[in-house]
Amino acid sequence: AQSVSQHNHHVILSEAASLELGCNYSYGGTVNLFWYVQYPGQHLQLLLKYFSGDPLVKGIKGFEAEFIKSKFSFNLRKPSVQWSDTAEYFCAVNRNTGGFKTIFGAGTRLFVKA
Amino acid sequence: EAGVTQFPSHSVIEKGQTVTLRCDPISGHDNLYWYRRVMGKEIKFLLHFVKESKQDESGMPNNRFLAERTGGTYSTLKVQPAELEDSGVYFCASSQIGTSGGAYEQFFGPGTRLTVL
Repeated sequence: AQSVSQHNHHVILSEAASLELGCNYSYGGTVNLFWYVQYPGQHLQLLLKYFSGDPLVKGIKGFEAEFIKSKFSFNLRKPSVQWSDTAEYFCAVNRNTGGFKTIFGAGTRLFVKA
Repeated sequence: EAGVTQFPSHSVIEKGQTVTLRCDPISGHDNLYWYRRVMGKEIKFLLHFVKESKQDESGMPNNRFLAERTGGTYSTLKVQPAELEDSGVYFCASSQIGTSGGAYEQFFGPGTRLTVL
């Protein structure tokens, strides 16, 4: 069955620390990859997406992610986190067929200490 | 441009009662999706409409759940009768069709938090 695995459920960092959240998926064929973020009390928002082309994708707020096809991975990174990055982060995958049904990971709760 | 809206934001009902959730997608978005997140677990796909037609309802848990999309605009998700395990956050998302890249990005509503007691 198709699945998305996020390596960490909870991450605690101090401000200015670097962040890397792992994501692996099990999905054959061509995929579209996403990272969504949900800040406390807010909607799910798209951080960044990969459809094709350059596997290093830059998103909003200084986030980036790298698609490594051979590893079925799409890890999220940020060189220096801020207190305002405290949120829950979701990795997600869909395909160009089947109506773009999106499969989500379980989410990673990031807490950044000021 | 208005985003995806959902109503109500919270609903608390007793086991055996009926609840209807509503989703208004972004205007012009033909794709409409319902997802659910049970506490602490992943967000799971429930079903997908293209306009008023159900494209994929493989994620619907059982026949207590009924989704409709009248006229291809807003959608409702009815749970009847509700059970304890139906508690969770129900998300709606919408996306365009036929625009390169646009069909892949789904815009999410704020969710409806359903609590069944």
